[in-house]
Amino acid sequence: GEDVEQSLFLSVREGDSSVINCTYTDSSSTYLYWYKQEPGAGLQLLTYIFSNMDMKQDQRLTVLLNKKDKHLSLRIADTQTGDSAIYFCAEVLGSSNTGKLIFGQGTTLQVKP
Amino acid sequence: DAGVIQSPRHEVTEMGQEVTLRCKPISGHDYLFWYRQTMMRGLELLIYFNNNVPIDDSGMPEDRFSAKMPNASFSTLKIQPSEPRDSAVYFCASRTQGAGYTFGSGTRLTVV
Repeated sequence: GEDVEQSLFLSVREGDSSVINCTYTDSSSTYLYWYKQEPGAGLQLLTYIFSNMDMKQDQRLTVLLNKKDKHLSLRIADTQTGDSAIYFCAEVLGSSNTGKLIFGQGTTLQVKP
Repeated sequence: DAGVIQSPRHEVTEMGQEVTLRCKPISGHDYLFWYRQTMMRGLELLIYFNNNVPIDDSGMPEDRFSAKMPNASFSTLKIQPSEPRDSAVYFCASRTQGAGYTFGSGTRLTVV
């Protein structure tokens, strides 16, 4: 089936690292995405990773992909209060990058000062 | 580029009324998607278009929902008649090959 699973809530202290985990179901997915949603706002693309990569780093963000286990993670280094938001993992169904983008239920990240 | 533009930002309507949500995709993007976000069901894909043609409408909940894309720069999502359970935030997104999915700011619909 089409299912992307995420834990619902994560709380960290400012300055710590945050790790948000996601599992997906479509082994033929070629692109996997992380989006951020702040309260009352739309979805902001944070980063994405191709399925032939194991890791992608972009400033404070590190994405790890384990294709065998269909597991994706997003690590935010030196987490700031401005990182408080809902983070969505998403996969594109099928081997093309132009099809259905299916989202997980989102992980609410709370950053305590 | 102004990004994906949705209107209105907020819509409050009475049950039974017709509601039309509008979207202008990014110029040059040939895919357009309509999503609905609720607390209970999260982000659901309703329908998507490629080159103005509907490709997959399996997420459209009922016949009360319809979507059109008369040209490459405009799409509408219509609900007729509206019901309280349609209350949600509706997002439009567009993309093209090699680009990420870009979302609009959404339309918050409240049906009373």
